[in-house]
Amino acid sequence: DAGVTQSPTHLIKTRGQQVTLRCSPKSGHDTVSWYQQALGQGPQFIFQYYEEEERQRGNFPDRFSGHQFPNYSSELNVNALLLGDSALYLCASSLGGLSTNEKLFFGSGTQLSVL
Amino acid sequence: GNSVTQMEGPVTLSEEAFLTINCTYTATGYPSLFWYVQYPGEGLQLLLKATKADDKGSNKGFEATYRKETTSFHLEKGSVQVSDSAVYFCAHLTQGGSEKLVFGKGTKLTVNP
Repeated sequence: DAGVTQSPTHLIKTRGQQVTLRCSPKSGHDTVSWYQQALGQGPQFIFQYYEEEERQRGNFPDRFSGHQFPNYSSELNVNALLLGDSALYLCASSLGGLSTNEKLFFGSGTQLSVL
Repeated sequence: GNSVTQMEGPVTLSEEAFLTINCTYTATGYPSLFWYVQYPGEGLQLLLKATKADDKGSNKGFEATYRKETTSFHLEKGSVQVSDSAVYFCAHLTQGGSEKLVFGKGTKLTVNP
């Protein structure tokens, strides 16, 4: 049983560019949450997708957007990249929407470097 | 607001030493509390959790007790191993219609043989 898979594992972009990160949830899960983990910091909640809609959002600007597909996989898009967007982006999956954050399974993350 | 404060690292111990990593939280009500562990190159793994006051979470020799009086959830292990070397994150689940995990900054533990 594959867990949460993320791609790519590493990515280098330059300021102003746009980036798309991808996540496939654990088999049987239908909810995807995205977190940003800056170097030396704990993960910060970006947003959560359930039933192909954004259900919750953290304190991130509109440059951060996402999508969830009918197969429950998800994309995180970041526009107009800033140096400060350099971080490990973690995807986590769960089942059933809002009330299931206690059973999150995390992927290994995508390391984004913005030069 | 919601926050988690963890003991700053890094922490370096010898094998079989006693481990304590302090964690306190600020939140509304009595949120569920968690410890996650992140091994090098891997994602976060749930280590243990407690969902109400005085609950003790335990796993792999690690323990933490939910103390509402002191809003704390300190992580302990009686005898650490080299394989316990990792970064440990304390977290709580927000309540009130906006459920999300709020993490501390993490504490890096290195255990030497």
